[in-house]
Amino acid sequence: DAKTTQPNSMESNEEEPVHLPCNHSTISGTDYIHWYRQLPSQGPEYVIHGLTSNVNNRMASLAIAEDRKSSTLILHRATLRDAAVYYCILHNAGNMLTFGGGTRLMVKP
Amino acid sequence: ETGVTQTPRHLVMGMTNKKSLKCEQHLGHNAMYWYKQSAKKPLELMFVYNFKEQTENNSVPSRFSPECPNSSHLFLHLHTLQPEDSALYLCASSQIKTGNTEAFFGQGTRLTVV
Repeated sequence: DAKTTQPNSMESNEEEPVHLPCNHSTISGTDYIHWYRQLPSQGPEYVIHGLTSNVNNRMASLAIAEDRKSSTLILHRATLRDAAVYYCILHNAGNMLTFGGGTRLMVKP
Repeated sequence: ETGVTQTPRHLVMGMTNKKSLKCEQHLGHNAMYWYKQSAKKPLELMFVYNFKEQTENNSVPSRFSPECPNSSHLFLHLHTLQPEDSALYLCASSQIKTGNTEAFFGQGTRLTVV
């Protein structure tokens, strides 16, 4: 299974941008890069996903390196409600969503 | 509200009890999943159903028995559990196994085995 590596935790100030990195050096050509987040006492929530091009949606932006061996989830203005564990996952038709430890994001007021 | 509903939200059961967890989705998805999340551990995939057929069983003990009667409903039958089985059990659904679609998770059932 293709693996991802994320920092265990990160801190941000409220209303500032946050860049959450993810390394996936063994990514295959058919792997999509997915990001989910899990707020306290809730199930994971889909954030964004992409294959090669950068992606934007109402929640976040996903910047994918040209060689696809790393990606960055960008929250443009962190709020206290964005405090969660963020998971970077590689997903294709042949495997399941396999979660690692994720990055715990703490947002300071 | 994600479109995936799990009941009950909380469950306390003795080691000799038999109980069932229920998951329901009306998103038109044809794949459903059970995950286990123990304290301070990553989510662990337990079972996968694709078009009502079980396609994955990640070495889960037989005291956990899944059932998928149709593509909208998924059950996890529990019997003679151990205290270490206490965890958050999460159900998810997605369109057929493809990387270009997101999964939707329920809120989970917080299970405590006493």
